[in-house]
Parts: sequence; C-alpha cells; structure tokens
Amino acid sequence: EVQVVESGGGLVQPGGSLRLSCVASGFTLTDHYMGWVRQAPGKGLEWVGRSRNKPNNYATQYAAPVKGRFTISRDESKNSLLLQMHSLKSEDTAMYYCLVEGDHGEGLSWGQGTLVTVSA
Amino acid sequence: QSVLTQPPSVSGAPGLRVTISCSGSGSNIGGGYDVHWYRQLPGTAPKLLIFANSNRPSGVPDRFSGSKSGTSASLAITGLQAEDEADYYCQSYDGSLSGWVFGGGTKLTVL
Repeated sequence: EVQVVESGGGLVQPGGSLRLSCVASGFTLTDHYMGWVRQAPGKGLEWVGRSRNKPNNYATQYAAPVKGRFTISRDESKNSLLLQMHSLKSEDTAMYYCLVEGDHGEGLSWGQGTLVTVSA
Repeated sequence: QSVLTQPPSVSGAPGLRVTISCSGSGSNIGGGYDVHWYRQLPGTAPKLLIFANSNRPSGVPDRFSGSKSGTSASLAITGLQAEDEADYYCQSYDGSLSGWVFGGGTKLTVL
C-alpha cells in the first residue's frame, strides 16, 4: 500500500525556520513526482510546490507565496521528501500535507498532515 | 481568491443528484490540463475522488462522475447519502503559474 507520513510540524516564531519530513512506504519515492499542499485553519487547499522524479533530476516548482523561502528536497537513503521553510510568516500557519502525484498530475495518495503554527 | 471557481455550498436530499461546478480559464482547464476532484471529510486529509476529468480510482463508487468541457468541469454525485457530506475540491494545472491550482472548495450538505 502506498503511504506517506509527515512529521516535523510545530510552533515557530515569525522569521524562524522549520523542516518537515515525509517518509514513504510501499513504493520507491525516486520513481514518483511528490508534492506539498497546505491548508490554513478553516480555509481551502493551497499548493506549495513539487519535486519531479529522479529521471527528471528532482526538478522543483514552487507557488509564488513561498518561492525563495521554501525548498523541497529528497533524502533517498530514508525514502523521504523534505520541506525546508525559512523566514516563516503568520500566513504560513497551516496543516501541511505531503502527497504522491499520479500520472495525470493528481494527488494520488496524501499523508495525514503536520501542523505548522507561526506565532510569537 | 482561488484560480478555479467553485460554488461555496450545494445541498440535496438523500437519494437525489447534485453537481458541483469548477470554472477556470484558458491557462488551466481550457488549456487542456486535466481536472481532478477530492473529497475532504472534517479533520481528515483530502482523498482523490476523480482523476483526469472523468476517471474513478479503485474503490470509488460509480455514484461519483466527472466531466470537462471548455474551461469548466463538473462533479456529479447521484444517490446522495448522509456520508457524502464533506468538502469537495477541484484541482488542475496552470501553465501561466507553472503549478497546481485549486478551487475554493464546495461544502456539500445532505438535507
């Protein structure tokens, strides 16, 4: 069964940094596009960014609100996807979901999410 | 302001049919990009309901169907059940933004 599990969320002060991790099981992460989507409390879904698969050199794309502050990378040894977040703002407060992309650019399998709260 | 436009809410009686619309533009749905639909129950992660406009993942009942035409797409749910109460989101890719885009979500209430 394809499964991803996120971790690393928590409370961080404005301007701070945090790194989220997404560990995959049931499949080899290198073969798939992977992504992050967030959801602010009581709000809708917002795409954060994606990492293409290994044949595509793990090329990344980011949404405008996080470009230059967030970085998506992979740790092959741990079969995991990482989201490094810097210069965090209150508007980054959200549940962050890791997902596996399907062949048509859909979110095939989602994790349960990890909550990031940016507050003084 | 979401790139894709969905009605904030829809409702229907048990057993009846509802549709949820998703309106985009020439840089996303109208540009030939696929539309996908998700269902999100309260306090849980979104779950894929329809992919590539009209395809159901394994395990999704045929009460759920999707279609796409021009710059819009729609999700239809027949034989409404109480457990269908949830938030529904459409998603596509936007070539101008170079990334995924979502609708604002539609809350389905089963009367």
